[in-house]
Amino acid sequence: TQLLEQSPQFLSIQEGENLTVYCNSSSVFSSLQWYRQEPGEGPVLLVTVVTGGEVKKLKRLTFQFGDARKDSSLHITAAQPGDTGLYLCAGERSNFGNEKLTFGTGTRLTIIP
Amino acid sequence: EPEVTQTPSHQVTQMGQEVILRCVPISNHLYFYWYRQILGQKVEFLVSFYNNEISEKSEIFDDQFSVERPDGSNFTLKIRSTKLEDSAMYFCASRDSFGNQPQHFGDGTRLSIL
Repeated sequence: TQLLEQSPQFLSIQEGENLTVYCNSSSVFSSLQWYRQEPGEGPVLLVTVVTGGEVKKLKRLTFQFGDARKDSSLHITAAQPGDTGLYLCAGERSNFGNEKLTFGTGTRLTIIP
Repeated sequence: EPEVTQTPSHQVTQMGQEVILRCVPISNHLYFYWYRQILGQKVEFLVSFYNNEISEKSEIFDDQFSVERPDGSNFTLKIRSTKLEDSAMYFCASRDSFGNQPQHFGDGTRLSIL
């Protein structure tokens, strides 16, 4: 069974601070996706990373895929209250076939104004 | 932007009853999924579906569960003889192809078993 562990589980910081969320596994993934989930809604895709060492930026969010494709990180610069939410990483073992997503344990982020 | 839609948003059912959760995937998508999320826990895979067949199912997806694509637009999850532990959010997802294409999720159905 492939597991994705996210840390920290909960994070509460002041507006304007920087933060990093980690997603780690002992298994190799073909790709990793980061989702954000609001209460009462489904996960919404933020980014997909597919190449070891890949870095993608989405405004103030920077996503990195580990060189060995076993881990990923999400860095937020100058956090804003609108960044508050549940952040989920999810990986696929293979890019062939109808592959399922294995979700991480989630990081609940609260940005204090 | 096209969306995955799920109905109902909330379903309350007596234990032992059957429920059908409905999903309308994005129209040109070919690959379909059901996931569930028990309150406070992580999202778990239930089943994947392609070309009118189950591609993969998890240990959770036992004989009380079934999926169907009855009419080319809907994708349903049926739970026969529901149990208290079936209470969860159920999410449908779809995508147009594999090869690192993302899955798009609906907003879920909250299933409450009494």
